[in-house]
Amino acid sequence: EIVLTQSPGTLSLSPGERATLSCRASQSVSSIYLAWYQQKPGQAPRLLIYGASSRATGIPDRFSGSGSGTDFTLTINRLEPEDFAVYYCQQYDSWAFGQGTKVEIK
Amino acid sequence: EVQLVESGGGLVKPGGSLRFSCAASGFTFSTYSMHWVRQAPGKGLEWVSSISSSSNFIYYADSVKGRFTISRDNARNSLYLQMSSLRVDDTAVYYCSREGRGVVRAFDIWGQGTMVTVSS
Repeated sequence: EIVLTQSPGTLSLSPGERATLSCRASQSVSSIYLAWYQQKPGQAPRLLIYGASSRATGIPDRFSGSGSGTDFTLTINRLEPEDFAVYYCQQYDSWAFGQGTKVEIK
Repeated sequence: EVQLVESGGGLVKPGGSLRFSCAASGFTFSTYSMHWVRQAPGKGLEWVSSISSSSNFIYYADSVKGRFTISRDNARNSLYLQMSSLRVDDTAVYYCSREGRGVVRAFDIWGQGTMVTVSS
């Protein structure tokens, strides 16, 4: 069973800054099977990135994904107020999620 | 509009049963695999179960195997989750989600969630 570990647990940043979120897999994951989701309080998750680096429909280009093998990264350039949320990675070979990273306003 | 709407959550006693549903609209439901994902209060996302488009392939998380049953009715554009032998740690918001097709095999559409509380 592949386990995803996200870091950091919480990221405190100011609007306009860059956020770099990490997702590490316990064993190699095919890039086509790695996704990122955003979840705001009281809302369902929203797909941001699929296939490790492809943005889902309607996702702004300040969101980007990269990585391969066991190390994947979600980068949010120039944080907007609406970007402060919890982010989850997921490998959809067995559909397991990471534990999440909260991006909060500093 | 592509939409998933869950219904049927509620309060149930430990050991009890509950069945809830997810109504799909705005897309050809019968051609997509579907999933249930849950989120305990203040916790992260946990994948629960999946069912292929024709119900040929069904999978469960170890935490619910033998207690939960996923099913679908393509004629009614509906997904179901039958839960039995419920435990306090099954308390969560349950989301239905659609697995995208082709290169987008992630969960591209989510319902708003339905709350299940297991308490005596």
